Amino acid sequence: AQSVTQPDIHITVSEGASLELRCNYSYGATPYLFWYVQSPGQGLQLLLKYFSGDTLVQGIKGFEAEFKRSQSSFNLRKPSVHWSDAAEYFCAEGSGATNKLIFGTGTLLAVQP
Amino acid sequence: NAGVMQNPRHLVRRRGQEARLRCSPMKGHSHVYWYRQLPEEGLKFMVYLQKENIIDESGMPKERFSAEFPKEGPSILRIQQVVRGDSAAYFCASSPPDSLQGGELFFGEGSRLTVL
Repeated sequence: AQSVTQPDIHITVSEGASLELRCNYSYGATPYLFWYVQSPGQGLQLLLKYFSGDTLVQGIKGFEAEFKRSQSSFNLRKPSVHWSDAAEYFCAEGSGATNKLIFGTGTLLAVQP
Repeated sequence: NAGVMQNPRHLVRRRGQEARLRCSPMKGHSHVYWYRQLPEEGLKFMVYLQKENIIDESGMPKERFSAEFPKEGPSILRIQQVVRGDSAAYFCASSPPDSLQGGELFFGEGSRLTVL
């Protein structure tokens, strides 16, 4: 069955440090991949998405992600984390011929001062 | 331009009661998706609807759950005879009618159901 894996449940980084959140997908030679962010009590906001083309994708809020087919990965990165980045981050993959998404279980990011 | 609107934001029900959750998609959007988020888990797909049609309900529990998206009015997710295990956040998302595979979903802020 199609699945998305986020191996890290919780991550804590210091403000100003770099960040990498891992994501592995399982489906499709040409996957549609997404990263969403969810602040407490809020809905999900799209950070970035990958369909094809350049494997390094730029998103909002200074985030980027790199698609690596050989590793079935789509890791999210940010060079310098801000306290406001504390939230839960979800990786997702498109499924089938619709916009249905399969989500990972999320990574909760805490930012230390 | 209003985003995806969900109501109620919070709903408390006793076991055996019915819960109705409403979702108004973004203006111009005709595709609606419902997801459920259990505590400490990611979002699980439940159902995908277009106006007056259920396109994919592969994630819907076989019993007690139903969804509709009428020609007029919001989409409704209905849970009959709720049990404690139904306590979760229910998110609605929408996309425009011409969106291709992999198009962005726009999410509402969710409806949090608590079953006592």
